[in-house]
Amino acid sequence: QQQVKQSPQSLIVQKGGISIINCAYENTAFDYFPWYQQFPGKGPALLIAIRPDVSEKKEGRFTISFNKSAKQFSLHIMDSQPGDSATYFCAASSKANTGNQFYFGTGTSLTVIP
Amino acid sequence: KAGVTQTPRYLIKTRGQQVTLSCSPISGHRSVSWYQQTPGQGLQFLFEYFSETQRNKGNFPGRFSGRQFSNSRSEMNVSTLELGDSALYLCASSIQQGRGTEAFFGQGTRLTVV
Repeated sequence: QQQVKQSPQSLIVQKGGISIINCAYENTAFDYFPWYQQFPGKGPALLIAIRPDVSEKKEGRFTISFNKSAKQFSLHIMDSQPGDSATYFCAASSKANTGNQFYFGTGTSLTVIP
Repeated sequence: KAGVTQTPRYLIKTRGQQVTLSCSPISGHRSVSWYQQTPGQGLQFLFEYFSETQRNKGNFPGRFSGRQFSNSRSEMNVSTLELGDSALYLCASSIQQGRGTEAFFGQGTRLTVV
């Protein structure tokens, strides 16, 4: 079953607007939550990541909000730009794993309209 | 610093053949993971290697195998190819094994099985 559920599947935002992508998980052993950005023909690029000991992390225009009790986390892209148009994946990894296995959401295709 | 390098970028194979994909991680990174990306299933974990040892394995048939060399370079092999194996195969490297370690992806190898 899908260990990390991501929504929406697609998102259209006007330039300058806020893009919000949501993810939810069930496994309470997850303790690292990265977001990846992928452009067509490219591999996913690490954007920003958070651990459950903080509720928010901000890097430039990108912010992760984390709600441990609800088992949800979200990516906010402020002042969205056409260059942000890409597919975004949330992911999670578990402290129960001995290695670096990530469970990915199904992706959100973001289109920023000029 | 060079990123993760995957070769070849594109491959076309016939059903029943086998294929070997290569991944050179970021210098100093000892953990290499492989993922299969398809439109229908998203990013699915195949396996992870650390110091030449397979640490984790995803839910894929035994036709999918891999190995890691002493210089951390990794290869993935798929035998008896099926049409459903057509996908983007991504390699990710991490500096160390363990939870919550940043993973950096290569551009992937696009495999088409005809």
